[in-house]
Amino acid sequence: DQQVKQNSPSLSVQEGRISILNCDYTNSMFDYFLWYKKYPAEGPTFLISISSIKDKNEDGRFTVFLNKSAKHLSLHIVPSQPGDSAVYFCAATNFGNEKLTFGTGTRLTIIP
Amino acid sequence: DAGITQSPRHKVTETGTPVTLRCHQTENHRYMYWYRQDPGHGLRLIHYSYGVKDTDKGEVSDGYSVSRSKTEDFLLTLESATSSQTSVYFCAIRTGYEQYFGPGTRLTVT
Repeated sequence: DQQVKQNSPSLSVQEGRISILNCDYTNSMFDYFLWYKKYPAEGPTFLISISSIKDKNEDGRFTVFLNKSAKHLSLHIVPSQPGDSAVYFCAATNFGNEKLTFGTGTRLTIIP
Repeated sequence: DAGITQSPRHKVTETGTPVTLRCHQTENHRYMYWYRQDPGHGLRLIHYSYGVKDTDKGEVSDGYSVSRSKTEDFLLTLESATSSQTSVYFCAIRTGYEQYFGPGTRLTVT
C-alpha cells in the first residue's frame, strides 16, 4: 500500500519557467511533509518542509503548497535552473512517528 | 553536512557471502536509519535505531540485520547476500522531523 505517491516519474521544463512537482498521500494521520532532492551518486538532501497547520511555505525559489482536503502537496520551483535537474522525493510523517514514508520520486530535467 | 560517512562506497560481492555496511556519524544523533533505493520504489526503510542497542524493523527488513554498539556507528549486515539485494544503500540521521542522509553505498551482488 503506497501511502505517498508521486504519479509522474519524470518531468521536463524549460530553463526559467516554473517547475511543479506533485505528491499525493492517503494516510490522514500525516501532519508533516518534506521534499528531498537527489543528484546521481549522492545522498538525498533536505530541501523544504511544511506542517499541516500551514498551507504554504516558501524558501527562495522553492515553495511548497499543501491541500489537506485533497491530501495533495506540490513543490514549485521558480525560476527553474539547470542545477535543479535531479530526482525529487516527497516524504510524510506525523507527530510521534520516528519514520518518514517516501514517494517513488520524480526526475526533473531542466532544458537549457 | 550532517557529518555522516558510509563505508565502503562501492562493493561487489557474490551470492551467499556475508556483507556488512557501516554508517558513522560525528554529531551524537540518537536516531539512525538504513534505507535502500531502487528504481520505481523510492527510498524504503530497512531498519532503524533509536539508541545504543535499540533497533527496530522497517518495511523491507527480511534478509538484513543491524547492530548499534556505539552512538556513532550503525552497521547493516546481509547475512547471505542475494541478487535481489543489489541496490544503493543510504544511512540517515534524524534532527527534529528531518532526516539527513549519507553519500550512499552501491552494492552489487553477482
